[in-house]
Parts: sequence; C-alpha cells; structure tokens
Amino acid sequence: DIQMTQSPSSLSASVGDRVTITCRASESISSYLSWYQQKPGKAPKLLIYAASSLQSGVPSRFSGSGSGTDFTFTISSLQPEDFATYYCQQSYSTPPTFGQGTKMEIK
Amino acid sequence: QVQLQESGPGLVKPSETLSLICTVSGHSISSSGYYWGWIRQPPGKGLEYIGSIYHTGNTYNNPSLKSRVTISVDTSKNQFSLKLSSVTAADAAVYYCAVQFDTGEFDPWGQGTLVTVSS
Repeated sequence: DIQMTQSPSSLSASVGDRVTITCRASESISSYLSWYQQKPGKAPKLLIYAASSLQSGVPSRFSGSGSGTDFTFTISSLQPEDFATYYCQQSYSTPPTFGQGTKMEIK
Repeated sequence: QVQLQESGPGLVKPSETLSLICTVSGHSISSSGYYWGWIRQPPGKGLEYIGSIYHTGNTYNNPSLKSRVTISVDTSKNQFSLKLSSVTAADAAVYYCAVQFDTGEFDPWGQGTLVTVSS
C-alpha cells in the first residue's frame, strides 16, 4: 500500500493566517491526490481533487498543489469555520489510502 | 444532489457479522459513472478504506481486511450494503458510505454510523 504522511500532525493558528499542510506519498502518485476537511462528529468533506482542482462550492481560499510524491494544501486566510482536521488521500493505486490527519486549532 | 444514509445495528458481538446498509437518494445506483464505497474511522483515529462496488456488482475490497468483507448492491432499493465477518474490538468505528468517482476521490459521504463491538 502507498503510505501517506502529513505534516504537521497538528498546528495552532489565528484567524487571518495563511496556513500550509504538506502530504508526502511513499511513491509517486502523479496528481491523484485529494484533500478533505472533517469537523468533529461530521463526515469528511472533499475540498480538493486531482491535487489542485477545487471542488464545486468550496471557497477559493483553499488551494492545493504538487505532483509525484510531494503535495501542499494551503488556506490563504484562515476563517473561524476552518478549524478542523484535514486529510490527504491518494487514489493512484488500490487500496486508496489516507494521511493520518492534521488537526488545526485556534491559537 | 446525491445523498447517502447509513443504517444498521450500533452494537455487534465479537466474532459476529457487522451488517450495514447505505441508502442512496438523488441518483440511481444502477446508473454508470460512480462507484459506491465504504470507509471507516475508529474513534479518535484516521480514515481506513474498506471497499467499493460498481453498479454491475464488481467489487474491490481492501486486502488488509482479508476475506472478511462482502459488499453488495440492491438496485431495486437503491441501496448498497457492507458485511464484515468475525468482528473484534479493532473493528469498532464510525462507518461511512460514500460516492467514489472513477478518479478515486470520495464525495459526498453519508453522516456515518457508530458501530461498537462488545459482548
């Protein structure tokens, strides 16, 4: 299975901050990388697919980049509703695998 | 838009079979274009892919769960189901069903259902 490693595992930030999360794959996954947001007690929500494509209805402050093994997810200006846990997921090979998550907390 | 809802027992005894159903609305499950997937999340932990099914009945299961997983589809009820046999405490989790695109991402997801394994 392809291992997905996110960093950091947690971060504290303030409203208005620019924050970046990284996701590294154990082997090349081309651009088959998605990002999800999960709030407590809720299902994950797809934000980004194909490494950099914004899912319909998702605010433009969210963005993604990268290809191969290294990917980044950025929130350009953190909003109160963005405090959540974020997961990356590869779909290059089966089984699809997820990163361990990055918990974003209010500073 | 597509909506999914999981249902099934919230408590399963060790060594028994966990059975869940995902009811789909807003899209015919027998239409081509989507796969229908199951993902689980142990309390306080990350996400684990279980398996997926296409409307034709073709399935893929995560090898980590070996042969314990059965996923099936009932097009007449617009539902698909998950059976996980020989459960242990390690199978306790919130179980989600989701639409899986042919490029592999999942969206949307059901709200999830918590399954506890205890005698």
